[in-house]
Amino acid sequence: IVLTQSPATLSVSPGEGVTLSCRASQSVSSNFAWYQQKPGQAPRLLIYGPSTRATGIPARFSGSGSGTEFSLTISSLQSEDFAVYYCQQYHTWPPMYTFGQGTKLEIK
Amino acid sequence: QVQLVESGGGVVQPGGSLKLSCAASVFTFRSYAMHWVRQAPGKGLEWVAFISYDGSNEYYTDSVKGRFTISRDNSKNTLILQMNSLRPEDTALYYCAKDVMPGTALGAFHYWGLGTLVTVSS
Repeated sequence: IVLTQSPATLSVSPGEGVTLSCRASQSVSSNFAWYQQKPGQAPRLLIYGPSTRATGIPARFSGSGSGTEFSLTISSLQSEDFAVYYCQQYHTWPPMYTFGQGTKLEIK
Repeated sequence: QVQLVESGGGVVQPGGSLKLSCAASVFTFRSYAMHWVRQAPGKGLEWVAFISYDGSNEYYTDSVKGRFTISRDNSKNTLILQMNSLRPEDTALYYCAKDVMPGTALGAFHYWGLGTLVTVSS
């Protein structure tokens, strides 16, 4: 299953809201997650299921979607939110998990 | 806080072998499926291997099948990735990751280590 994220890069000002998108090449039902990765750090799970926030994730992060279309919304960007965001599907069994190519969120 | 610490990376020639380890602590290791995920320099994420909480099931991405073996020692809270017949395209930072769900795995990666770098080059 191929995941396509859009856009590749997004320039946004702090305080603004933003929505990142990910499309799957076939349905993955609700077996979907979003990760954040900052330079030099390991990825961090943000959202799975696809709207359940992981432990400690602020409420400004929300996820939605099912089937083939998913989105991650950050309601009011903080300085620490500028990073690369990856989507991932875990629908296939036996597992053949795949990630999107990433969306870089940069400061405008 | 969950801790995952990878080790064993290094520089190896094509065709060589490496054994990666991941030491887990501050959670009930034997209750969770575990994964290896890799990231080539400057590139995105790629899932590599899965092992069930009890070690009874293993799965791999196609490009490493027959060359890599994932295993675990629940008595030592340790995850292993034995990598044989290494290729230049295996060069990456290798992360171990804990599944988000205890028991039957969900497939989302809840906690990650900092990674260990594997470089395959002559």
